[in-house]
Amino acid sequence: QLVLTQSPSASASLGASVRLTCTLSREHSNYPIAWHQQHPNKGPRYLMKLNSDGSHSMGDETPDRFSGSSSGAERYLTISSLQSEDEADYYCQSWGSGFHWVFGGGTKLTVL
Amino acid sequence: EAQLVESGGGLIQPGGSLRLSCAASGFPVSSNYMSWVRQAPGKGLEWISVIYSDGPRYYADSVQGRFTVSRDNSKNTVYLEMNSLRAEDTAVYYCARDRSRVRYDAFDIWGQGTTVTVSS
Repeated sequence: QLVLTQSPSASASLGASVRLTCTLSREHSNYPIAWHQQHPNKGPRYLMKLNSDGSHSMGDETPDRFSGSSSGAERYLTISSLQSEDEADYYCQSWGSGFHWVFGGGTKLTVL
Repeated sequence: EAQLVESGGGLIQPGGSLRLSCAASGFPVSSNYMSWVRQAPGKGLEWISVIYSDGPRYYADSVQGRFTVSRDNSKNTVYLEMNSLRAEDTAVYYCARDRSRVRYDAFDIWGQGTTVTVSS
């Protein structure tokens, strides 16, 4: 069973950088994921698709401050030069024909 | 610009039925896998249904046998028919587009959501 694990919360200061982590279940460590951003009472927004080798496909409206990287079963979303509008929930997503689509529990990012 | 707009949510009694709509613009719904995802109050995202570009449909166990996804290409709209609704179906329902036309991939377009509340 594909499981994606995210820390429930993270925080960082305005102008700083923060790295969020999504961990894939061990047997699915080479799967790609996607990162999505969700502001309160809004629909999610696609940020990027991230492959196991660290290559990624950014969304058309994803700011350059957002980047992705991979290491083993971990997939990272790094946000640099944090802005107040980056305060949101961040979800990772993965997929496969055996289990369709699966989401992580989400990380609530607070910008201090 | 590709866009999805959901509608049809509301307050419904347990055991009742509701049909949600997802109107697309900027692309044909028949060209991509189209999914429904829901989010219970204060909770995370849960995938619940997909209709493939070539027709097959699949459901999460939590809605299997009660929900039906369909598509009207002439209206460029995807639907979710929900029957035998339960309190635990209370959620915001989103439709989303798979970025690939022929295989599983990331969701790259999301709607704004429509709220379904199941309560007596």
